[in-house]
Amino acid sequence: QVQLQQSGPGLVKPSQTLSLTCAISGESVSSKTAAWNWIRHSPSRGLEWLGRTYYRSKWSNNYAVSLKGRITINPDTSKNQFSLQLNSVTPEDTAVYYCAWEGSDALNVWGQGTMVTVSS
Amino acid sequence: QSVLTQPPSASGTPGQRVTISCSGSSSNIGRNTVNWYQHLPGTAPKLLIYNNNQRPSGVPDRFSASKSGTSASLAISGLQSEDEADYYCSAWDGSLNGYVFGTGTKVTVL
Repeated sequence: QVQLQQSGPGLVKPSQTLSLTCAISGESVSSKTAAWNWIRHSPSRGLEWLGRTYYRSKWSNNYAVSLKGRITINPDTSKNQFSLQLNSVTPEDTAVYYCAWEGSDALNVWGQGTMVTVSS
Repeated sequence: QSVLTQPPSASGTPGQRVTISCSGSSSNIGRNTVNWYQHLPGTAPKLLIYNNNQRPSGVPDRFSASKSGTSASLAISGLQSEDEADYYCSAWDGSLNGYVFGTGTKVTVL
């Protein structure tokens, strides 16, 4: 049974980098049938998919068009986890951030969520 | 900005049937499977329906869904108070090369 545990700061200053980590248990981050996603939720925008990383014969990523250039999602095979980095944050990036395991083209298991506030 | 359109709200009394629509396009719902998620305040979203109409283990059969063309719908029959939540449809968008979510529908049990 896949479980995800998120960690990272809840407060980030404007123009700085938001960094979150998602530790995986019950599956390998290198699984060739899984993908590892980040999603956020805010009252004004609802759910917003941010991007994902996955391994088939090599590592690949997909990112939301609206965030391209600011977002990086990386796997860490030594710790069986993956991370999110979002650069140059503004108050618009304030949201609850979730990681999620994707299998069979659906987000089957979600992390517990991390409330991130962008404020000086 | 959401690519899939849902009604902002839906409501019903206990025991009634409620349906939620989800309108997309040929690049998302028209060519890929639809999933539905239930989001209760303060908790992580939960996969409710996958592959257009399949229920994960543990999801009551009161929840059903269908897809036709570029639209999909979720039905909740025998509405219960614990069904009060936000519901989101989602699909992969081949043009955007990413998942898109619906605008979300808040279900209220009167």
